[in-house]
Amino acid sequence: HLQLQESGPGLVKPSETLSVICSVSPGYLGSLSTYWGWIRQPPGKGLEWIGTVYYSGSAYYNPSLGSRVTISMDTSKSQFSLKLNSVTAADTAIYYCAADQFNPYWFKSWGQGTLVTVS
Amino acid sequence: DMVLTQSPGTLSLSPGERATLSCRASQSVTSNFLAWYQHKPGQAPRLLIYGASSRATGIPDRFSGSGSGTDFTLTITRLEPEDFAVYYCQQYGSSPLYTFGQGTKVDIK
Repeated sequence: HLQLQESGPGLVKPSETLSVICSVSPGYLGSLSTYWGWIRQPPGKGLEWIGTVYYSGSAYYNPSLGSRVTISMDTSKSQFSLKLNSVTAADTAIYYCAADQFNPYWFKSWGQGTLVTVS
Repeated sequence: DMVLTQSPGTLSLSPGERATLSCRASQSVTSNFLAWYQHKPGQAPRLLIYGASSRATGIPDRFSGSGSGTDFTLTITRLEPEDFAVYYCQQYGSSPLYTFGQGTKVDIK
């Protein structure tokens, strides 16, 4: 059963880099046909897609975030991570990692989320 | 850019009543790549419906999805106490690659 758990810094200063890690159940990160994503929810607002990495290594990002975002994977640690640089208060949000073992169109498995405040 | 507009913003109903939630897309959704999620405060979002009308594993049959093209509907036939939550639709395929609606809150009347 695929399980995900986010961990983050809690507080980041403006203009610095936000880094959040998603820990994945052992054995899943290297699976073929699994897709890994990051979604965030600013306080009082809805869900916003940040980016998705396909099992092949291809990465897709929300154009609204420009070149500020990078998603990377560390199979040896069973983790994938999100880095968002040059953050502002508008990046304050709950950050969720999510995955689907069969297709890239939606996300079946989600973490509980981690709140990151930029201040 | 693709925009998903959900209505109503809030739906106030009693347990046992029927809930009908709408999701309208600004352009046709590719291959009906449309999903619905349930989200409760402090919890992970839960996939309910994928492919516009297929229930995800373990989802009760009181939840159903329908629609195609630009108009989609999530129906909850008889609301249970645990169904009061925020519901989001999500599309895949048009820029940005994934788009969420702004959500519909189903609360207790």
